[in-house]
Amino acid sequence: QSALTQPASVSGSPGQSITISCTGTSSDVGGYTYVSWYQQHPGKAPKLVIFEVSNRPSGVSNRFSGSKSGSTASLTISGLQGEDEADYYCSSYTSSSTLHVLFGGGTKLTVL
Amino acid sequence: EVQLVESGGGLIQPGGSLRLSCAASGLTVSRSYMSWVRQAPGKGLEWVSVIYSGGSTYYGDFVKGRFTISRDNSKNTLSLQMNNLRAEDTAVYYCARDDGGYSKMDVWGKGTPVTVS
Repeated sequence: QSALTQPASVSGSPGQSITISCTGTSSDVGGYTYVSWYQQHPGKAPKLVIFEVSNRPSGVSNRFSGSKSGSTASLTISGLQGEDEADYYCSSYTSSSTLHVLFGGGTKLTVL
Repeated sequence: EVQLVESGGGLIQPGGSLRLSCAASGLTVSRSYMSWVRQAPGKGLEWVSVIYSGGSTYYGDFVKGRFTISRDNSKNTLSLQMNNLRAEDTAVYYCARDDGGYSKMDVWGKGTPVTVS
């Protein structure tokens, strides 16, 4: 089963907003509200920033928001800051009989 | 503080075996959904395996019977036994708690590197 599809890179200037898309199928993103987003800085472990499509864990800035339409989920970061520069990965629960979770290929966010 | 600490990684020859461990504190492994996720050098995250609180286990398609996930309730640890290792298994291996079992991985370890060469 293929990974979820994300753009390889996005960029934005400080203060701007960016959106990262994550496209799957009806067996994963489109079929469930179990989409998560992770932020990963170089050499560090991933950090959960959004779960169940649009929920933020405690301690995550409200500049991070998530949404979903059909089989495409999106992560929006508003008021870009330098510390937001990182790799972002989406994930989704999948109804595959053997798999459990699918990850996207990752998106490199550059803050210009 | 909730913490996961992986160990057991290293350099291994193709065809060899390695056992990774993940020691948990601040959470109970036996009552959690626990996953292994790996990241090859310069690549993205790849889900490897999960063990449900009830004991059910699932694996990524690429595992093909080579890996076994398990837990030791008395030591509050998660393990991944990896056999018949291939060069393409080279990666940093992370353990993570999957809160609720639906891809909400809210606690991660720092990872342990595995090099198959």
